[in-house]
Amino acid sequence: DIQMTQSPSSLSASVGDRVTITCRASQSISSNLNWYQQKPGKAPKLLIYAASSLQSGVPSRFSGSGSGTDFTLTISSLQPEDFVTYYCQQNYRTPLTFGGGTKVEIK
Amino acid sequence: EVQVVESGGGLVQPGGSLRLSCAASGFTFSHYWMSWVRQAPGRGLEWVANIKQDGSEKNYVGSVKGRFTISRDNAKSSLYLQMSSLRAEDTAIYYCYCGATDYWGQGTLVTVSS
Repeated sequence: DIQMTQSPSSLSASVGDRVTITCRASQSISSNLNWYQQKPGKAPKLLIYAASSLQSGVPSRFSGSGSGTDFTLTISSLQPEDFVTYYCQQNYRTPLTFGGGTKVEIK
Repeated sequence: EVQVVESGGGLVQPGGSLRLSCAASGFTFSHYWMSWVRQAPGRGLEWVANIKQDGSEKNYVGSVKGRFTISRDNAKSSLYLQMSSLRAEDTAIYYCYCGATDYWGQGTLVTVSS
C-alpha cells in the first residue's frame, strides 16, 4: 500500500497568515493527489485535485503543487473559516490512502 | 439538486453483521465509480472500498478484505456495503462518496460494541 505522510499534524496561525502543509508519498504517484478540507461534523470537501487543479467554487487562496512523492497545499491568506482540518489523498492506486490530517488552529 | 444519503448504521455486537445503504439522486449514478470512506471517532479518514460503474471491479482496504462486500444497483442509484465479522475497530462514521464529482453523504455511524 502507498503510505501518505502529512506534516505537520497541527499548526497554529493567525488570520492573514500564509500556511503550507506537506504530504509525502511512499512511492511516486505522479500527480494523482487530492487535497480535502473537513469541518467538524461534516463530510470532507475537495479543494485541489490532480495535485494543482483548483476544484470549482474553491477560493483562489488555496493552491497545490508537487508531483512524484512530494506535495504541498498552500493557503495564501488564512480566513476565519479555514481553521479546520486538511487531508491529502492519493488516487494513483488502490487502496486510495489518506494522509493523517493537519489541523489548523487559531494562534 | 444532488443528494447522497446513507442509512443502515447502528449498534452491533462484535462478530455481527450490518448492511449500509447509500441512495443517490441528482446525478447520473451509473456513470461513476463509487466509494465508501470511514472515520473513527476523533480520527482521520480511511478509504474502505470502491466499485466500478458496472460493478465488474471492486477494491478494498486490507483490513476489511474478506469481511466487507461493496455492491451497487444502478437501476436504484444505490450503493451498498455489507459488513460482517465486525470488530470494535470498525466503529466509525461511514461515508458514501463519488470521487469524480466530490459528492458526499452526511455519513452513518456504525458502533461495534458489546
